[in-house]
This record gives sequence, structure tokens and C-alpha cells, in this order.
Amino acid sequence: EPEVTQTPSHQVTQMGQEVILRCVPISNHLYFYWYRQILGQKVEFLVSFYNNEISEKSEIFDDQFSVERPDGSNFTLKIRSTKLEDSAMYFCASSQTRGGNTIYFGEGSWLTVV
Amino acid sequence: EDQVTQSPEALRLQEGESSSLNCSYTVSGLRGLFWYRQDPGKGPEFLFTLYSAGEEKEKERLKATLTKKESFLHITAPKPEDSATYLCAVQSHSQGAQKLVFGQGTRLTINP
Repeated sequence: EPEVTQTPSHQVTQMGQEVILRCVPISNHLYFYWYRQILGQKVEFLVSFYNNEISEKSEIFDDQFSVERPDGSNFTLKIRSTKLEDSAMYFCASSQTRGGNTIYFGEGSWLTVV
Repeated sequence: EDQVTQSPEALRLQEGESSSLNCSYTVSGLRGLFWYRQDPGKGPEFLFTLYSAGEEKEKERLKATLTKKESFLHITAPKPEDSATYLCAVQSHSQGAQKLVFGQGTRLTINP
């Protein structure tokens, strides 16, 4: 069964450092997403991406965050200057269409900022 | 603002003891209601999408139902391997909306 893959599975970084989280969405999917889950809290939407541009973003997704599809298979989330409160599990997801369609999630990248 | 509330927060059952999990929602036009299973330290695993009131979907020991205000996930004769957190999420019809809004989940434990 096709799956969304994410790397790294766990990263520890110092406050103020830049972090790039990588994802390979399911190959025939067109919509890509990042969500995050702070330990013990709800899964929260960050951003959606379609046709090489951001199509929707949340208040969390400020100027410190950026997304990119550098080639035909990868989708990345960059955090420019990490803060302690960025510590969370970050999930990449993808879907074939925009609405009402199954959205598949990856296993997550656990980011710890120290 | 779209909101999802799940109850109970945690539920312990004996193996074979059937029960239901509740997901109450408010949304500006429902495009879809999603159920996911999440194991500790893992990503949400897709279970069902429901689109309109009255719809039901089944998968093994799980059945999801939908009304205009809530959804239920019924678990029949559960086994220990059904232990997980079950997440409910909604997607609205708002123009351009793609995001899922999640509830806090129900942590289900099935004792052998």
C-alpha cells in the first residue's frame, strides 16, 4: 500500500538553529500538508500546498516557517530559527484531491528543541 | 470556527465488551468527517470518511455513523490490538478550505 514517508524520524536541535523536515508524499497525490502535534495535545494544521504554492495556512505558520517542493517527489518544511515551543511531532500528509478525500499521514518527525 | 469535541477522553474495556466513541462537531458546512487511529509515537492511520448524515461505514470490528451534529465509532467485540487513540476530524466546505480540524481523541484500552 502506498505510504507517506518522512525523514528524519527524530531530530534534536539547538534553539535558534534552522531545521528542515522532509517528506515523500504518495506518488499520484497532488495536495500536500504539514500538521503538528505537541505532546499531549491535538493534531494542528499548519499548511497546505498545491500546484507549487501555499493554498491555505494557519496562524501557527508564521514567517519562521516555509515549505517547498524542490523536485517531483520531495516536500519539505523549514523552520528558520527554532524556538523551544516548536518542539512537537510534525506530520506530513497528502491527498489526491482538495476536499472530502482521504488524507494520508506519514509516521511523523519528532523535533526536540533544546 | 470549526470545532470537534470527542468523548470520553479515555475508555477502558474488557476484551469482547462492545462500546461507542462520540465525536461532536460544529462546522460551517461539512465536506467530510474523518476517523483515524493513532498508536503512540505514530502518525494517524486512516479509517473512514463520512460525507452526509445517515451514512455508515464498516471495517472489521469498527463501524462509523454520522448525524448532522455528531459521529459515533462503534467497536464490536474489541480485541487488545484495538487499543489506540481514535481521532475524529472535520473538513468544511468553506471556500478554499482544505485543513482538517481534529478533536483531542479518545484513548481506548482493551484489557485481555
